[in-house]
Amino acid sequence: GAVVSQHPSWVICKSGTSVKIECRSLDFQATTMFWYRQFPKQSLMLMATSNEGSKATYEQGVEKDKFLINHASLTLSTLTVTSAHPEDSSFYICSARQGGGNTIYFGEGSWLTVV
Amino acid sequence: GDSVTQMEGPVTLSEEAFLTINCTYTATGYPSLFWYVQYPGEGLQLLLKATKADDKGSNKGFEATYRKETTSFHLEKGSVQVSDSAVYFCALSASNTGKLIFGQGTTLQVKP
Repeated sequence: GAVVSQHPSWVICKSGTSVKIECRSLDFQATTMFWYRQFPKQSLMLMATSNEGSKATYEQGVEKDKFLINHASLTLSTLTVTSAHPEDSSFYICSARQGGGNTIYFGEGSWLTVV
Repeated sequence: GDSVTQMEGPVTLSEEAFLTINCTYTATGYPSLFWYVQYPGEGLQLLLKATKADDKGSNKGFEATYRKETTSFHLEKGSVQVSDSAVYFCALSASNTGKLIFGQGTTLQVKP
C-alpha cells in the first residue's frame, strides 16, 4: 500500500541551529502534504499545508519564517526549523494526500530535541 | 471553530475486556470522522472512518458509528488484546482539503 516516509526519525540539535525534516511519498504522487506538531501527551496540531510548486499555507499562530516548508516535487516536502530553540522540541509528523480525494497517509514522525 | 473532544486517558483494561473510547465533535456542515491509532514509536495509522451520518466504520474488531444527533463517534471493541495498547486519536475532516482536526488522544493500556 501507499507509504509515507519521514527522515530523520530522531534528531538532536543545538540551540540556534537549523534542522531539516523530509517527508516523502514513496509510491504515489502527493500534490498536498500536511505538517503537524505534537507536544507530549497532547493532540496533533496542524502547522501548515504544503502544496507542490507553491507557497505553503500556514495555520494561525505558526511562524512561517521559523518553520520553512518547501514542496519542490510531487513526492517530497521538507520542513526546516530555523534558529531552533528548546521550546521547538516536539514530535513533527507529516501526512500526504493521495490524489484529489480524502485518502491521507501519515509518516512515522520525527522527534526533534533542541539542547 | 471545529473541534474534537475525547475522553481522557489512560484507559487500563484487562485482556478480553470491552472497550469504549468516547469522542464527540463540533463542526459546521457534515464532516468525515476518523479514528487513528499510534503504536509506540510509530506514526499514525488510519483505523477506521465514516463519511456520513449513521455510517459504521470497522476494522480489526474495532467499530464506530457516526451519530449526527449526538455528534459522536465512539470507538468500541468487544474484546481487547495486549497488542491493542496504543494511543487512539479521533479526528474530523470538515472539507475536502485533507486537513484533519484531532482530539487530544486516549492512551489504552491492556494488561494480560
